Amino acid sequence: RKEVEQDPGPFNVPEGATVAFNCTYSNSASQSFFWYRQDCRKEPKLLMSVYSSGNEDGRFTAQLNRASQYISLLIRDSKLSDSATYLCAVRLVTDKLIFGTGTRLQVFP
Amino acid sequence: NAGVTQTPKFQVLKTGQSMTLQCAQDMNHNSMYWYRQDPGMGLRLIYYSASEGTTDKGEVPNGYNVSRLNKREFSLRLESAAPSQTSVYFCASSFDRDTEAFFGQGTRLTVV
Repeated sequence: RKEVEQDPGPFNVPEGATVAFNCTYSNSASQSFFWYRQDCRKEPKLLMSVYSSGNEDGRFTAQLNRASQYISLLIRDSKLSDSATYLCAVRLVTDKLIFGTGTRLQVFP
Repeated sequence: NAGVTQTPKFQVLKTGQSMTLQCAQDMNHNSMYWYRQDPGMGLRLIYYSASEGTTDKGEVPNGYNVSRLNKREFSLRLESAAPSQTSVYFCASSFDRDTEAFFGQGTRLTVV
């Protein structure tokens, strides 16, 4: 079993829709959590860090549930430009940084 | 603003050849990472270095070696390349365990 798991999708949604992704992790000694965005054949770039109390950045909301060992990303009012692959990442106390396989989002007009 | 620099950007190797992928960061980061990315597999951690002088295995270390030459540089070596090592390789760095990692632009390696 992978240490970090995501639904690969694809999620096909119309512009303006709300879409949510989940990511589960298996190691309870996980220290920090992130969501990255990756465009085709480019390097991943940080979308947002995920804090224990949850955090929001514009149309994006990230949540952490330590008891159930998952993180989530909510995108509201989807734009065409949101089409990309979204990767969750979990860092252990050893500094090991593990990524999920990514969830592909396609927003259509 | 160089950030994380990887060289080369593209490489074709013959089976059995060796090569070293170079990675350097200019952000005074402590941690550095090497990943490979294959279609449908996401980013898989090969090796990482939590600080200068230390290296640890990741999820898929077989067939690779690494060197943390100094705080700035972290190289990945393929001693005897195999077609299964055809992939896109990304180097990343972060300041500490609580901060995000920044990525280089990747090296596209083909082993024939």
